[in-house]
Amino acid sequence: DIQMTQSPSSLSASVGDRVTITCRASQSISSYLNWYQQKPGKAPKLLIYAASYLQSGVPSRFSGSGSGTDFTLTISSLQPEDFATYYCQQSYSTPYSFGQGTKLEIK
Amino acid sequence: QVQLQESGPGLVKPSQTLSLTCTVSGGSISSGGYYWSWIRQHPGKGLEWIGYIYDSGSTYYNPSLKSRVTISVDTSKNQFSLKLSSMTAADTAVYYCARGVVTIIVVFDNWGQGTLVTVSS
Repeated sequence: DIQMTQSPSSLSASVGDRVTITCRASQSISSYLNWYQQKPGKAPKLLIYAASYLQSGVPSRFSGSGSGTDFTLTISSLQPEDFATYYCQQSYSTPYSFGQGTKLEIK
Repeated sequence: QVQLQESGPGLVKPSQTLSLTCTVSGGSISSGGYYWSWIRQHPGKGLEWIGYIYDSGSTYYNPSLKSRVTISVDTSKNQFSLKLSSMTAADTAVYYCARGVVTIIVVFDNWGQGTLVTVSS
């Protein structure tokens, strides 16, 4: 099974900051990597797919990059509604797996 | 816009079998090309993919749960279901149904709101 590891586990930042979250796979997954945002009490929402493609309707301040084993999610200028938990997920092989999450909090 | 909605008991006794249903609206579950999935989230924890049923009924389950899981589809009701047997406290979680679709790669683009299942006597 492929293990996904995110860092950091939590992050404090201010509105307007540029933020980067990292996700590492235990083996190469090419670009088979998605990013989700989850707010308390809500289901996850797809942000980025195939490592760098922005899901329809998602603001352009979100971007993704990487391939192989190392990936990043960047938020260029944090907005109040961006404070949430972010998960990476690999679709390279079943069983599909998620990272443990990165909680983005207001500083 | 496709919408998914989970239904089922919020409380299950240890050793019992959990049965959850996901009703799909705004689209046909028979339209093909989708991975109708179940994903769970233990309280305060990350996400765990349970398995999916695809098109004609092909299924794939997470090996960690495979011996206890069954996912099935009822096209007449536009629903798919999860059965998880021999429940223990470790199965207490929010259970989500989700639609998987190939958008270059498999993504989960539509989710139900989730339903909390507590295992307790």
